[in-house]
Amino acid sequence: GEDVEQSLFLSVREGDSSVINCTYTDSSSTYLYWYKQEPGAGLQLLTYIFSNMDMKQDQRLTVLLNKKDKHLSLRIADTQTGDSAIYFCAESYPGGYQKVTFGIGTKLQVIP
Amino acid sequence: EAGVAQSPRYKIIEKRQSVAFWCNPISGHATLYWYQQILGQGPKLLIQFQNNGVVDDSQLPKDRFSAERLKGVDSTLKIQPAKLEDSAVYLCASTSAGGEVGDTQYFGPGTRLTVL
Repeated sequence: GEDVEQSLFLSVREGDSSVINCTYTDSSSTYLYWYKQEPGAGLQLLTYIFSNMDMKQDQRLTVLLNKKDKHLSLRIADTQTGDSAIYFCAESYPGGYQKVTFGIGTKLQVIP
Repeated sequence: EAGVAQSPRYKIIEKRQSVAFWCNPISGHATLYWYQQILGQGPKLLIQFQNNGVVDDSQLPKDRFSAERLKGVDSTLKIQPAKLEDSAVYLCASTSAGGEVGDTQYFGPGTRLTVL
């Protein structure tokens, strides 16, 4: 079955880089996503990567995918206090209409 | 472009009562999802609509949960009767196309339900 695992908590100092890790089990995953959820808000798509890619960079965000190890990471450069939120890793896999499985989320705390 | 709207934002009810949530997706979005997010967990898909038809409701507890999307636009999710374990945030999301792999899901702010 599908399963997405993440560490629960990460604390970094403002200005440092943050790396949030995720592992998934479904080798047929086609897209992998990172969502951000701020308190009291819905999920906001940050970035996604297609499964045949190794890396994707978007401004301060870098996504690395190791398909062999089924490992996905999100690096946030120059982390700011506004980056404090819960980050969800998610995978989608074939089966007709899109089905997305979310991890439990990693809470990122940025210390000023 | 207006985002996904949900109401109410908060609801407190007693167990065995009924409750309904409303979602208005982004205009023109054909695919609509309802997720349940229990505190400390990721969202879990309850039901997916393509226009006004159900695509996937395999994880919807059909003995107490129901959802409809009349006219393929707005949707309501109902719980009757509610149980304590239904306390969660109920998120609505929509996508512009057929909900196919890679389509971006846009989420609403959610409805936080507390069952006492």
